Amino acid sequence: EDQVTQSPEALRLQEGESSSLNCSYTVSGLRGLFWYRQDPGKGPEFLFTLYSAGEEKEKERLKATLTKKESFLHITAPKPEDSATYLCAVSDSWGKLQFGAGTQVVVTP
Amino acid sequence: SQTIHQWPATLVQPVGSPLSLECTVEGTSNPNLYWYRQAAGRGLQLLFYSVGIGQISSEVPQNLSASRPQDRQFILSSKKLLLSDSGFYLCAWIRATGELFFGEGSRLTVL
Repeated sequence: EDQVTQSPEALRLQEGESSSLNCSYTVSGLRGLFWYRQDPGKGPEFLFTLYSAGEEKEKERLKATLTKKESFLHITAPKPEDSATYLCAVSDSWGKLQFGAGTQVVVTP
Repeated sequence: SQTIHQWPATLVQPVGSPLSLECTVEGTSNPNLYWYRQAAGRGLQLLFYSVGIGQISSEVPQNLSASRPQDRQFILSSKKLLLSDSGFYLCAWIRATGELFFGEGSRLTVL
């Protein structure tokens, strides 16, 4: 059965303190791994898609990487506006999406 | 560009009352549409998906039902709400590249 585990559950950072979020997965035939950002009371906002091991994507202070068993979302020099819950999801060979529970990130000034 | 709308944004309903949440998509035709529920501290749970008008697939047996009366309209319903139906409900459509795009969500509280 497909499984997605995100860690840590919560992360508190000082502004400028870089860190990484982890998404480990087991899936039969990975079609894609997706990262989303979700603000409180809002729907998730799409960030990145990664398709194969070794792939990297960047957007502003965020960088996502992928290996055969996990993905990392690196936040470089975060700002308070980067505070959100970050969700990871994987799509299997049938196109079915499985979401992780998310990592709640709080960045303090 | 494509947009997705959900309403109402917030709903407080008594146990045993009916429910109707609506979702419409603009800027695309024949989209694959999804209803998810998000509970606090847990991942998104897929409830229903639809690949076309009148076609509904249910992922989890429950007190809810879905309908797709028009190409870009997706409705989540219940005849009698339970306390356990409380949650944050999200409608989404999927691009050909596999990314889901979500609406703003509907917060349902059942008392």
